[in-house]
Amino acid sequence: DSGVTQTPKHLITATGQRVTLRCSPRSGDLSVYWYQQSLDQGLQFLIQYYNGEERAKGNILERFSAQQFPDLHSELNLSSLELGDSALYFCASSGDMGWGEQYFGPGTRLTVT
Amino acid sequence: GQQLNQSPQSMFIQEGEDVSMNCTSSSIFNTWLWYKQDPGEGPVLLIALYKAGELTSNGRLTAQFGITRKDSFLNISASIPSDVGIYFCAGKLIQGAQKLVFGQGTRLTINP
Repeated sequence: DSGVTQTPKHLITATGQRVTLRCSPRSGDLSVYWYQQSLDQGLQFLIQYYNGEERAKGNILERFSAQQFPDLHSELNLSSLELGDSALYFCASSGDMGWGEQYFGPGTRLTVT
Repeated sequence: GQQLNQSPQSMFIQEGEDVSMNCTSSSIFNTWLWYKQDPGEGPVLLIALYKAGELTSNGRLTAQFGITRKDSFLNISASIPSDVGIYFCAGKLIQGAQKLVFGQGTRLTINP
C-alpha cells in the first residue's frame, strides 16, 4: 500500500459527460501528479500540483483540468468525454516539488461508452 | 522530446532464470527510478538511484545508474511467478523540463 488513495476505482460514463476523479496523497506529501495510461501504453504525464499551485503541465487536453485543495487532496476533472479518453488515470505523490520518488495510487479505470 | 528507450519490450522466461532489462537515452538524467506494475494496479516503486555508478539492491532486484548518466539497468535474479508484470524505468532530466520521463515498459512473463 503506497498510502496514496484514489476514488472511484471504476467509472463508466457516456460520451459528452463530465467526471471528477479524486486523489489523496501520502501523509505529508505536498506534490501531486496525474498520469493517463491507455491500454498497453506507458504513463503519460498530465499535470503536477505542489502545495495547491500548478507546477508543471504535460500533455493535458484543454477539456481536462485539475486542482489541489488546502488539505492537499486533488481532483482531476474530465469534460466533454470522448471514447478515446477511456484509460487508467493514476495519481502519484512525492514529498518535494522536484520530481523525486513518486508513489502511485491504485488508479481509476475510466470507460467511456 | 526526451525519450527513454526501454528494452526488451517483452520477455518470456522460465521460472528460476535471471532477467535483465535496461533503459537508454541520449539525454542525461540525475535520477533513475524503477517501477513494477501488476495488471490494473498502480506502479510500485522498486528502486531509486541518485548517483552515477550507483548500484542498489532490493532483495532479488539490483539496479544500476549508468556511469554516463544516460542509462540504467535492472536485474532480477532467480525469477519467481510473482515477478510477472510490467517493469517501467523513469528518469529525471538533469536539464530542461523538470518532470519524470517514463520508458514504455518491459512485460515479463514467466513459464512455471
